[in-house]
Order: sequence, then C-alpha cells, then structure tokens
Amino acid sequence: GQNIDQPTEMTATEGAIVQINCTYQTSGFNGLFWYQQHAGEAPTFLSYNVLDGLEEKGRFSSFLSRSKGYSYLLLKELQMKDSASYLCAAYSGAGSYQLTFGKGTKLSVIP
Amino acid sequence: EAQVTQNPRYLITVTGKKLTVTCSQNMNHEYMSWYRQDPGLGLRQIYYSMNVEVTDKGDVPEGYKVSRKEKRNFPLILESPSPNQTSLYFCASTAPSYEQYFGPGTRLTVT
Repeated sequence: GQNIDQPTEMTATEGAIVQINCTYQTSGFNGLFWYQQHAGEAPTFLSYNVLDGLEEKGRFSSFLSRSKGYSYLLLKELQMKDSASYLCAAYSGAGSYQLTFGKGTKLSVIP
Repeated sequence: EAQVTQNPRYLITVTGKKLTVTCSQNMNHEYMSWYRQDPGLGLRQIYYSMNVEVTDKGDVPEGYKVSRKEKRNFPLILESPSPNQTSLYFCASTAPSYEQYFGPGTRLTVT
C-alpha cells in the first residue's frame, strides 16, 4: 500500500509563487500524479512524474525525488482561479495499477 | 470531443436496493477506474480495469462490483447499498500517456 501526506490548507497572494509538498511511503512505486480540483467539480490532470527532476508546464511545475519519497507542485504567478484543492497520487505500477491519493491541499489565493 | 460520461449524476436510494452507475468513455482507453470521495478522506480507488475482462480491487472494494465487457463501458454495481456508501463517485479513463480523464461525478445518497 501507499501512505501519502500533503498539507491540508495553504494560503497565498495573487501574483506570488506557492509550493505544495507531497511525501509518500510506498510498497511499489511507478510515478506521482498531481491533479487540480475546484469545489464541486471533477479533478483535472496536471502532471505525471516518473523520473527524478523538475517538469515545467506553463505556470505549473512538478518535481519528483524517488530516493526521498518526495514531490512538490509549484504554481507561479498565482491567479484567483488557482484557488482549488490540489491532489497528489502515487501510482504503484509493476503489475498492480493501484492509484492512492493524498487527502488534498486546499489552496486559497487572496488579493 | 473526448469525454467520460456517468449516469445518473444524482441518486437517492434506500438501503438494500441494487443500483448500477454507468460509466462510458469515447477515447478507446484500456485503463479505467472508479473512485469515491468523502470529506476528510479524499479520493479512494474502488476498482480498476486494465482492459476488457480484466478488473482488480483498489483500496476500498467492499460492497462494490464492476464489470468490463466492452472497452468503452465500466459500470459500478452496488448489490445491496448501505448508508456508508453515501458518497461522491468518480469514474476515470487513463490515456497511454497517463493523462487521466474524470467523469463529472455521481452523488449517491443511501437512506
């Protein structure tokens, strides 16, 4: 199984940068997902990291360290519409395609 | 348009009355999965399917059944629903790139 930890809530200012951390403890690990979920809506895919390092996609970047069991999502130039929950999820892979989610980090962007 | 559809979107039912939540995708994806989302617990995987006639348990399979007779459809069956299955349910379909597409959700209340 997997144990995923991420902060429950964060607040950041419009235009700023925020980093949302995620740590995982695994018995089998293939990669790490990040999703965005606005209140009352379905999650939407942001990124999937398999290799160590930083992957950038516009204002959003995601980092993975497999040796440390650690990932983060970096959001730059925050906008009010970025207020949402951010979910990290570990994918076990290797014959078992279980996906285990953290409880999510609720990000509030304030003016 | 690439999409995952779920029906019904809302359902109120009584304990013990069998129900099926349908899920369909039009992207020819092999991998599909079901999740439930509860306050304070986050998203939890119920079942997943790697292809037609190939299904496996996620983290919380008790009280649920699934079938995968065709690639596009992955129904979730509650043979004898109980109040602890009151939840928000999401179906998802995963592309070979690992990008995951979620359905709009089904809000189920069991009284």
